[in-house]
Amino acid sequence: DAGVTQSPTHLIKTRGQQVTLRCSPKSGHDTVSWYQQALGQGPQFIFQYYEEEERQRGNFPDRFSGHQFPNYSSELNVNALLLGDSALYLCASSLGAVRGAEGYTFGSGTRLTVV
Amino acid sequence: AQRVTQPEKLLSVFKGAPVELKCNYSYSGSPELFWYVQYSRQRLQLLLRHISRESIKGFTADLNKGETSFHLKKPFAQEEDSAMYYCALVLWTSYDKVIFGPGTSLSVIP
Repeated sequence: DAGVTQSPTHLIKTRGQQVTLRCSPKSGHDTVSWYQQALGQGPQFIFQYYEEEERQRGNFPDRFSGHQFPNYSSELNVNALLLGDSALYLCASSLGAVRGAEGYTFGSGTRLTVV
Repeated sequence: AQRVTQPEKLLSVFKGAPVELKCNYSYSGSPELFWYVQYSRQRLQLLLRHISRESIKGFTADLNKGETSFHLKKPFAQEEDSAMYYCALVLWTSYDKVIFGPGTSLSVIP
């Protein structure tokens, strides 16, 4: 089991550009959550996808959007990139509404640098 | 607002010494708390969860609702315990949402 797979691993973009990050969840998981982890900080919740719909959202602007596909994989899109968007973006998968059962399985992240 | 605090950014202990990583939370509902760990060059992974009352790698954590704390403890630190530790609060309304603390970097000195 490959666990959670994220691509690409590293990315450099220019201010104002748009970026798409991808995530494949752990086998058997159907829920994908995205987190932003700035240097020296804990992960901050962006949003969560289940059954191809965004069902929860953190305090992030509309420039951050996402999508979940029928195979449960997910994309995170960020438009009009700002320097402050530079961070490690983590994808975590879990199994539906299984309450507190096994927590999240995290990917290794995509390191985004905006210049 | 829901929040998780970890007052120590860095913690250094000698091998064999007891270690305690502090975590406090603010949440008016019924909390579910986790500890996650990230070893060097590895991904974030679940260490333990309060509902299972388990001991993983010698670590335990007890939820104290009166003090709104969920401190992580180990009686004898090992070098391989050196890592970044994150306390996390799970909010359950209709769906789960995880709020992470800022993390504590534990360094075990040989």
